[in-house]
Amino acid sequence: DQQVKQNSPSLSVQEGRISILNCDYTNSMFDYFLWYKKYPAEGPTFLISISSIKDKNEDGRFTVFLNKSAKHLSLHIVPSQPGDSAVYFCAATGEGANNLFFGTGTRLTVIP
Amino acid sequence: DSGVTQTPKHLITATGQRVTLRCSPRSGDLSVYWYQQSLDQGLQFLIQYYNGEERAKGNILERFSAQQFPDLHSELNLSSLELGDSALYFCASSVSGRLNTGELFFGEGSRLTVL
Repeated sequence: DQQVKQNSPSLSVQEGRISILNCDYTNSMFDYFLWYKKYPAEGPTFLISISSIKDKNEDGRFTVFLNKSAKHLSLHIVPSQPGDSAVYFCAATGEGANNLFFGTGTRLTVIP
Repeated sequence: DSGVTQTPKHLITATGQRVTLRCSPRSGDLSVYWYQQSLDQGLQFLIQYYNGEERAKGNILERFSAQQFPDLHSELNLSSLELGDSALYFCASSVSGRLNTGELFFGEGSRLTVL
């Protein structure tokens, strides 16, 4: 059973525009949510995270929004750049947990 | 470069065979995690070791086993291979196991193809 879901396998946006990647989760025990970025032939790398006590976390061009009541989070990238083209994985975990639950990923393509 | 090294990068083998995937964690990291990414699937957690001891188990098949050695490198053994075992296997390491801070560093993965 997939506890973290990314329903959009792919997304294309024009350079300079906003990219919005969505993620849904089912487990209300999750306390932390993370986004990882993966380039081809590389492992995933951590991008940004948010605690369940917050509804927004911003780091430069990247902002993650959390809607706990809807069990939904989103990653906004503004402005999008061609170098942002990658697969983005949403992940979730609980306090003290030994595992990250990952979504299936969304492939973002930023068109120059 | 994450500092996590995985070998081999690519491996092609036949059904019924046995393979070993190797992982060297970042210097100083005590925790090693193994993940499996099959086609169109997210990263599925297999198993975690901390300083040589098994700490957590995910959806790891009985045909699979792992261990972490005194020098902290880890091996994932896959036996009686089936076509469905074809996947990208990632190793990741962490110094404290605090996953909520993004303190999980992945290797480049080992791509296993079972024919």
